[in-house]
Amino acid sequence: QLQLQESGPGLVKPSETLSLTCTVSGGSISSSSYYWGWVRQPPGRGLEWIGSTYYSGSTYYNPSLKSRVTIFVETSKNHFSLKLSSVTAADTAVYYCARLPLYSTLTGYLAFEYWGQGTLVTVSS
Amino acid sequence: QTVVTQEASFSVSPGGTVTLTCGLSSGSVSTTHYPSWYQQTPGQAPRTLIYTTNNRSSGVPDRFSGSILGNKAALTITGAQADDECDYHCVLYMGSGIWVFGGGTKLTVL
Repeated sequence: QLQLQESGPGLVKPSETLSLTCTVSGGSISSSSYYWGWVRQPPGRGLEWIGSTYYSGSTYYNPSLKSRVTIFVETSKNHFSLKLSSVTAADTAVYYCARLPLYSTLTGYLAFEYWGQGTLVTVSS
Repeated sequence: QTVVTQEASFSVSPGGTVTLTCGLSSGSVSTTHYPSWYQQTPGQAPRTLIYTTNNRSSGVPDRFSGSILGNKAALTITGAQADDECDYHCVLYMGSGIWVFGGGTKLTVL
């Protein structure tokens, strides 16, 4: 059974860089069949897609966050990571990692398939 | 900037039917947006309900169904139960690897 687990500091100071890692178990992050993504949810609000990456290193970012976001895969560790720079209080949120199957006409599946449990990151001095 | 719209809140009686929608601030939602729906209870991660417009994820009861209604994606819950009371999120694929979530709908069953 695939499991995704987010980890990283729960408290980040304003203007610093938020760094999170999503460790994948029960599956390989090097599979050519999946993208890996980050989604966040500010307290009491909706979900926001941050970005996605492929094992090859290709990435896609939310245009509103693109200038501050880096997502990358470390295949040797079977995990992928998120870095968000110059954070403010508006970046306080629960951060989720997720797996997205690569679309195929055979499965017709294009969605966020599996989710981590999420980790709360608070931006505060 | 693309905005995906959802009702902020909705109410349904136990045993009743409710349809939640997912629209675009400009234009129509179609199957090419691969709309998907997620259920989220407080403090928990989202659970995938519907993918690619109208396909139920494994283990999702058949009283949940997805469709395109007019110019919006729709999630219909038939025979609402008390534990259906939670938040529902939709997301649309905008192409070029870009996804946009709606603001979520808080469903009350009473």
